[in-house]
Amino acid sequence: DVKVTQSSRYLVKRTGEKVFLECVQDMDHENMFWYRQDPGLGLRLIYFSYDVKMKEKGDIPEGYSVSREKKERFSLILESASTNQTSMYLCASSLPTGGLLSGNTIYFGEGSWLTVV
Amino acid sequence: SQQGEEDPQALSIQEGENATMNCSYKTSINNLQWYRQNSGRGLVHLILIRSNEREKHSGRLRVTLDTSKKSSSLLITASRAADTASYFCAPYLFGNEKLTFGTGTRLTIIP
Repeated sequence: DVKVTQSSRYLVKRTGEKVFLECVQDMDHENMFWYRQDPGLGLRLIYFSYDVKMKEKGDIPEGYSVSREKKERFSLILESASTNQTSMYLCASSLPTGGLLSGNTIYFGEGSWLTVV
Repeated sequence: SQQGEEDPQALSIQEGENATMNCSYKTSINNLQWYRQNSGRGLVHLILIRSNEREKHSGRLRVTLDTSKKSSSLLITASRAADTASYFCAPYLFGNEKLTFGTGTRLTIIP
C-alpha cells in the first residue's frame, strides 16, 4: 500500500522559531509537493520538487524553504515562524506523467496542523 | 499552474439522494481527477477521466467531462453519511507537474 508519512500531526511553535515539517514517501516518486490549506482558501501550493535537490516555487513560497536531499524525503522549513503561518500543511507525491495518457495520481499525507503562538 | 473551480461551495442533501458537483477549468487538459478529503485529513484520489473520455463510472461515482465547455461533473448516487467530505477536482496537462486545487465542494449528508 502506498504511503506518504508526515512526521508530526500536531505542532505548537513560538513566533520566531525555526520549524521543520518532514515528509517521507515509500513509492519511489519523483514529484513531491507541499501545500497549505486554510478555510475558504483551499489548497495552495508552497513548493514542488521534481527530483533530488530540484525545486520550484509554488503560489505562496514566501516565508518558506524546502530541502530534498534524498528522493523519499521532502522537508518544509519555516525559517522564522509567524502567526500567519498557522495552518494545516499537506505533503504529497506523484510519478511524473512522461506523456502517459494514464496520467498520474497524487498521494497525500494525513496533514500536519501547525499552530504558531 | 492550472486550477479547477468547484461549484457549489457547499451542498447538503438527505441520505439516499444523489449529489452532483461541478468543476470548471480554463486551459486544455489531458485528464481530470477528483479527490475527496474527510475533515482534517489528507486528500484521497477517487477517479480519473481522460480528455478523450466523456463519462466514467466507479461504484456509486459517475464522472462526466465536456472538454468543449471545459467542465466536469461528479455524481454520487445513493449518498451515505460516510460521503460527507470535501471534494476537489484537479485538471491536469502533461508537462505541468504542479497540480493545484481550488476550494472544493463541501458535501454534507443528512441522516
